[in-house]
Amino acid sequence: KNEVEQSPQNLTAQEGEFITINCSYSVGISALHWLQQHPGGGIVSLFMLSSGKKKHGRLIATINIQEKHSSLHITASHPRDSAVYICAVRSVPYNTDKLIFGTGTRLQVFP
Amino acid sequence: EAQVTQNPRYLITVTGKKLTVTCSQNMNHEYMSWYRQDPGLGLRQIYYSMNVEVTDKGDVPEGYKVSRKEKRNFPLILESPSPNQTSLYFCASSFGLASNEQFFGPGTRLTVL
Repeated sequence: KNEVEQSPQNLTAQEGEFITINCSYSVGISALHWLQQHPGGGIVSLFMLSSGKKKHGRLIATINIQEKHSSLHITASHPRDSAVYICAVRSVPYNTDKLIFGTGTRLQVFP
Repeated sequence: EAQVTQNPRYLITVTGKKLTVTCSQNMNHEYMSWYRQDPGLGLRQIYYSMNVEVTDKGDVPEGYKVSRKEKRNFPLILESPSPNQTSLYFCASSFGLASNEQFFGPGTRLTVL
């Protein structure tokens, strides 16, 4: 079983829909990252969370440390949001500094 | 412009021919890391460095070497490449720890014949 699981693996939506991507992890963590990988391959950091909720434009990320779960929400989705969304966690203990990644959620938003 | 650069962006080589993929960042970041990305497996960490002369293995270090002689550079060395190292490689850096925002390079697509 992977230490970081994302669901769904693939997601299609109509423009304007509300999108939710989930990430569950089984290890102790000090932080969780949400990344976006565009079709051209480049990877961009969207959020880094250690608790609570963060919002940037139409994107919202939440994390529940007790339940070991995070969600990425996209409001009013747009075709330009089509990308692969990747969850990654920084695992403890603190004398190592590894990142463990989920396999990603491929999102396609149609006009 | 703050950025992470990688070279080359594309490389086709043959089994056993030593190669180096360079990674450089201009943000004075302490943390640098190498990842490979394979279909169905996602991103996996190869090596990381928490500062100059400090490196550690990630999850898939076999067949790779790294060095961190200067803060800005973190080259990935394949001493004797094999076909199973055909992959898309990313370098990333962050200020401080891996907890902080990660800045990724553009990727290097490597094919080993």
